Amino acid sequence: GQSLEQPSEVTAVEGAIVQINCTYQTSGFYGLSWYQQHDGGAPTFLSYNALDGLEETGRFSSFLSRSDSYGYLLLQELQMKDSASYFCAVSAPTGFQKLVFGTGTRLLVSP
Amino acid sequence: NAGVTQTPKFQVLKTGQSMTLQCAQDMNHEYMSWYRQDPGMGLRLIHYSVGAGITDQGEVPNGYNVSRSTTEDFPLRLLSAAPSQTSVYFCASSYSPFGTTRNPPLHFGNGTRLTVT
Repeated sequence: GQSLEQPSEVTAVEGAIVQINCTYQTSGFYGLSWYQQHDGGAPTFLSYNALDGLEETGRFSSFLSRSDSYGYLLLQELQMKDSASYFCAVSAPTGFQKLVFGTGTRLLVSP
Repeated sequence: NAGVTQTPKFQVLKTGQSMTLQCAQDMNHEYMSWYRQDPGMGLRLIHYSVGAGITDQGEVPNGYNVSRSTTEDFPLRLLSAAPSQTSVYFCASSYSPFGTTRNPPLHFGNGTRLTVT
């Protein structure tokens, strides 16, 4: 099966940069996704990495190192509205047609 | 487009009762899935479907049934509710299943908050 590890909570101030790490263990690997979820809301898709390197989407970037089974989500110019939970998720041959989520990282942005 | 619609938004059941959580999508998505979310445990996959008539189990299928008679609808049935099934349930869909060259984003409904007493 698959397992993912993320820090449970990260705090930062407005305007700062924060990195949320995700390590995974799978038998085989297709790619790593990131989702954002505000309190009381539904998860929404942020990004996906299948290959090593950095993918940038506005203030958010996601990085993957397949050899290290590691990825991170980088949030720049933090805003109060970025306070949310962030989940990494993997798809892999052993869980074919499934997306398995980590336990999530709660990001608290303070003024 | 309404996207993914879940009903009801809130539900309270007594132990042993049965009920069906409804999920419908209007995006003609091939893939649909049900997750439950509990504090500190992230999102756990209950069941999923890769098309009408095809369903399979996820990580935590016990106590739940699903069926997929149409592309649009994917109801989740609780057979005999237990307090351990108190959770927030999310239905999600994507235009295709996951695979070697595909990782389509999941579109989530707004969730059903279920309490079993």
